[in-house]
Amino acid sequence: EIVLTQSPATLSLSPGDRATLSCRASQSVSSYLDWYQQKPGQAPRLLIYEASNRATGIPARFSGSGSGTDFTLTISSLEPEDFAVYFCQQRGNWPITFGQGTRLEIK
Amino acid sequence: QITLKESGPTLVKPTQTLTLTCTFSGFSLSTSGVAVGWIRQPPGKALEWLALIYWDDDKRYTPSLKTRLTITKDTSKNQVVLTMTNMDPVDTATYYCAHSREYSRQLLDPWGQGTLVTVSS
Repeated sequence: EIVLTQSPATLSLSPGDRATLSCRASQSVSSYLDWYQQKPGQAPRLLIYEASNRATGIPARFSGSGSGTDFTLTISSLEPEDFAVYFCQQRGNWPITFGQGTRLEIK
Repeated sequence: QITLKESGPTLVKPTQTLTLTCTFSGFSLSTSGVAVGWIRQPPGKALEWLALIYWDDDKRYTPSLKTRLTITKDTSKNQVVLTMTNMDPVDTATYYCAHSREYSRQLLDPWGQGTLVTVSS
């Protein structure tokens, strides 16, 4: 099973700041790495699929990069609604696995 | 517009079998390449993928729970059912179902709202 390690566990930033979230896989997942945003009491929402493709309706301030084992989610300028938990997920190998999440909180 | 909604008991006793239903609209599970998956999330914890069923009835399970899980589909009712046997308090979680579009290699989008299942005597 592929283990995804997200860092940091918590990121404290202010609106307008740039956020950089990391996801590292224990072995290559090619580009089959997705990012989800989850707000309290809500289901996860797909932000980025296959490492760098924005899902429908996702603002351009969200971008993803990486391949193989190292991936990054960048939010260029934080809006108040961006403070949430972010999960990465790999589907390059069975079973599908998720990272433990990064909590993005207001500083 | 694709929507999914999970339904089932909110409380089950230890050792009982859990049966959850995912009712969806906006797509058909008879369409080639389409799949529906189940994922769970214990309170305050990370997501865990459980199972996936494809349009052709191919099924995949997470290895750690494979002996306890069964996923089935009823294409005519637009439903997918997940059963989990021998429930334990550690299985307390919000259970989500999610759509996977045609030949997307299990890209899960969108998700249902989730249903919280508590395991307690």
